[in-house]
Amino acid sequence: GAGVSQTPSNKVTEKGKYVELRCDPISGHTALYWYRQSLGQGPEFLIYFQGTGAADDSGLPNDRFFAVRPEGSVSTLKIQRTERGDSAVYLCASSGGDEQFFGPGTRLTVL
Amino acid sequence: AQSVSQHNHHVILSEAASLELGCNYSYGGTVNLFWYVQYPGQHLQLLLKYFSGDPLVKGIKGFEAEFIKSKFSFNLRKPSVQWSDTAEYFCAFYGGSQGNLIFGKGTKLSVKP
Repeated sequence: GAGVSQTPSNKVTEKGKYVELRCDPISGHTALYWYRQSLGQGPEFLIYFQGTGAADDSGLPNDRFFAVRPEGSVSTLKIQRTERGDSAVYLCASSGGDEQFFGPGTRLTVL
Repeated sequence: AQSVSQHNHHVILSEAASLELGCNYSYGGTVNLFWYVQYPGQHLQLLLKYFSGDPLVKGIKGFEAEFIKSKFSFNLRKPSVQWSDTAEYFCAFYGGSQGNLIFGKGTKLSVKP
């Protein structure tokens, strides 16, 4: 596709449930980033992949959050035992150089 | 800690007014600076970037930004705004060889026709 895509666009879940958020980067981009944007805030870094490996996961808030990129393309962000405080827009970006291209985000609501 | 401060939360201007949005970053080393824009209902898009060289950089849609190293600032400017510039603007940077962006909280710009 022409840009970064993310699915689903909206996800509503109940507290304690498990969710997966998917990111399809721009074809050929080796770097992939996940950010979280809470209401009234700018995006906050979660994790960065270079190829298949997580180059920097220092932004993951706790061990309930995990992300994978097994084939160096699509990435999945996984959140276990969701909490109301996890409600936010989760953004994915990919890069083939020095510019990051952002997807539309997944709006996660935890009831 | 690395951070970005955007001084204005919400700016309201009339069409043809001049715009300047403030951005200050906190980092002691070499930085790569960005302004992103998010139009209503759309995703983040790059407006302009600075890596090195001429500290006055020009971006899309008539926007420009000036890097002033001594002030740790990267303010965004446009001489004459249009209604279509209504959006949220985010300043961001990454330091050294790091790739992850540090974002400010954003400034919402409303332009009255």
